[in-house]
Amino acid sequence: QLQESGPGLVKPSETLSLTCIVSGGSITSVNYYWVWIRQPPGKGLEWIGNIYSSGRTYYNPSLKSRVTISVDTSKNQFSLSMNSVTAADTAVYYCARLSAMPRVFDIWGQGTMVTVSS
Amino acid sequence: QSALTQPPSASGSPGQSVTISCTGTSSDVGGYSYVSWYQHHPGKAPKLMIYEVTKRPSGVPDRFSGSKSGNTASLTVSGLQAEDEADYYCCSYAGNNYWVFGGGTKLTVL
Repeated sequence: QLQESGPGLVKPSETLSLTCIVSGGSITSVNYYWVWIRQPPGKGLEWIGNIYSSGRTYYNPSLKSRVTISVDTSKNQFSLSMNSVTAADTAVYYCARLSAMPRVFDIWGQGTMVTVSS
Repeated sequence: QSALTQPPSASGSPGQSVTISCTGTSSDVGGYSYVSWYQHHPGKAPKLMIYEVTKRPSGVPDRFSGSKSGNTASLTVSGLQAEDEADYYCCSYAGNNYWVFGGGTKLTVL
């Protein structure tokens, strides 16, 4: 299971920080990547980026300059940091597991709503 | 990379069949067999319904099927049931460890 946590309200220009706790399995399991995906209100899903347990990351080019995904294997969790947020970053943020074979997002968290507002 | 194109809405009566399209480019849908579909009931975690274009995970009814032709993938729901009413999203691998989703289709069971 995956469970997101973090502040529900972030001020413009500040940094959004979320954590995803992985339970029922190890974040170091081979063949899995750990992912952040978001959904702005009334819009579709947007892939933010992946991280492997080794720390190797892959980011959506449109967000790459503002996003950092990190992993803490000792706590079996991974995190998202997004700086210089604006109202356009208001969204439900999901963490998910990406299986390498087959290549699917096979487990998702329930999602957490983050609002960017002063 | 742009989002994949899905119709915003689709509908059908119970027992009917509905097909939802997902159009991309040769760099994503047309270039790879890693197209998947997710069912999303608001407030819940999205659920994988179809992967690798045509495959169904265990537990997903065989009323759900997937296909692809060129740059367009499709999800067909046969024998519509009330519980199929949800938002559906397609997703494709786009190379270089990049993933792209569709804008979503709201399926209404009339």
